[in-house]
Amino acid sequence: ETGVTQTPRHLVMGMTNKKSLKCEQHLGHNAMYWYKQSAKKPLELMFVYNFKEQTENNSVPSRFSPECPNSSHLFLHLHTLQPEDSALYLCASSPLSGGAGTQYFGPGTRLTVL
Amino acid sequence: GENVEQHPSTLSVQEGDSAVIKCTYSDSASNYFPWYKQELGKRPQLIIDIRSNVGEKKDQRIAVTLNKTAKHFSLHITETQPEDSAVYFCAASTNDRDDKIIFGKGTRLHILP
Repeated sequence: ETGVTQTPRHLVMGMTNKKSLKCEQHLGHNAMYWYKQSAKKPLELMFVYNFKEQTENNSVPSRFSPECPNSSHLFLHLHTLQPEDSALYLCASSPLSGGAGTQYFGPGTRLTVL
Repeated sequence: GENVEQHPSTLSVQEGDSAVIKCTYSDSASNYFPWYKQELGKRPQLIIDIRSNVGEKKDQRIAVTLNKTAKHFSLHITETQPEDSAVYFCAASTNDRDDKIIFGKGTRLHILP
């Protein structure tokens, strides 16, 4: 349960705020992911990093900006969000360097945009 | 690219009965099929997976079957219990260098007392 951690667990922000979500994995994995989970799209892949390099950007608006300084840490920088961006943001990691393999999810950050 | 369809979106079964959730995929190169369970307020967690070199895998009350020809795979839960109530996601992956894992839209399973 503590292999992938996310902070904060809950975040409320206004549309003009800038905030960052943090994810850390203690499993020695090489790939990390950001997902958005909402009622409309249960598990929507946003970004994929393999060995710190972004390999996937699933047509995500530029108001979401990922950063992966090393293979253990992943950030999602948020700015000028919209109310429809309110959702659960899940981070995940996987052990296989060449593929998605088994995903290990963090507990998520519940984001509310006012 | 890969597309994963999952049915049904909601399923209610009497406690003790069996539940079956079905998924289809489009990319014949997919060779890894995990299933995740997400309880209310918790993170998705892997419960069982199957690779394309086998047709069936079982772990206690949970089993998964794979039909590569028809490109579909199913999750079977027998003797359902209240703690089986959750959202279940199927997924497909090719496990190559440029691979990404594609999830189905999920099935909300209700176990009725």
